[in-house]
Amino acid sequence: DSGVTQTPKHLITATGQRVTLRCSPRSGDLSVYWYQQSLDQGLQFLIQYYNGEERAKGNILERFSAQQFPDLHSELNLSSLELGDSALYFCASSPRSENTEAFFGQGTRLTVV
Amino acid sequence: GESVGLHLPTLSVQEGDNSIINCAYSNSASDYFIWYKQESGKGPQFIIDIRSNMDKRQGQRVTVLLNKTVKHLSLQIAATQPGDSAVYFCAENTGGFKTIFGAGTRLFVKA
Repeated sequence: DSGVTQTPKHLITATGQRVTLRCSPRSGDLSVYWYQQSLDQGLQFLIQYYNGEERAKGNILERFSAQQFPDLHSELNLSSLELGDSALYFCASSPRSENTEAFFGQGTRLTVV
Repeated sequence: GESVGLHLPTLSVQEGDNSIINCAYSNSASDYFIWYKQESGKGPQFIIDIRSNMDKRQGQRVTVLLNKTVKHLSLQIAATQPGDSAVYFCAENTGGFKTIFGAGTRLFVKA
């Protein structure tokens, strides 16, 4: 158990809908990262927050957004969902903001039908 | 663009043998590298890391080698066990805040 909690574990939704994925980092970790893992693209970095502020952006679509709250939990919002958004979404946390190992949650499997 | 790639998508080894998983990275400015292991149905798990001022780092049964000249990273697993079967990812960080993952290598351990 990494100490990072993601909910829900599974999510099935229709195209065009909006979903929110939630992540609780390890106790004491200030950084939260979001990754998308699909079969043909491996782990794609989406976005990172550190202590409530956005630190880095990767290949995150404009339809996606995230935030980190004062209690350090984070949410990833996916809107206008398309079939191609079906993937595993991982959250990770680390104590620092850079050059450090990250601890991953179990992921949320999103299926868009 | 940014990329971290792997030479072999799959690797099959006999139990007890040593495994070597290779990775090529493209950004010469990368200064921190990590190997992760991902078992089926789980999130990636940290194995070992290495900073660019080192060539080699050893952990328990694992060794990471870094060759900055050719931008190559390898993970060596000694006495491979069935529990080592997983997908292994190398990842690089350029001193910024995002970590870029490679495509992954699936390791099969034959009993």
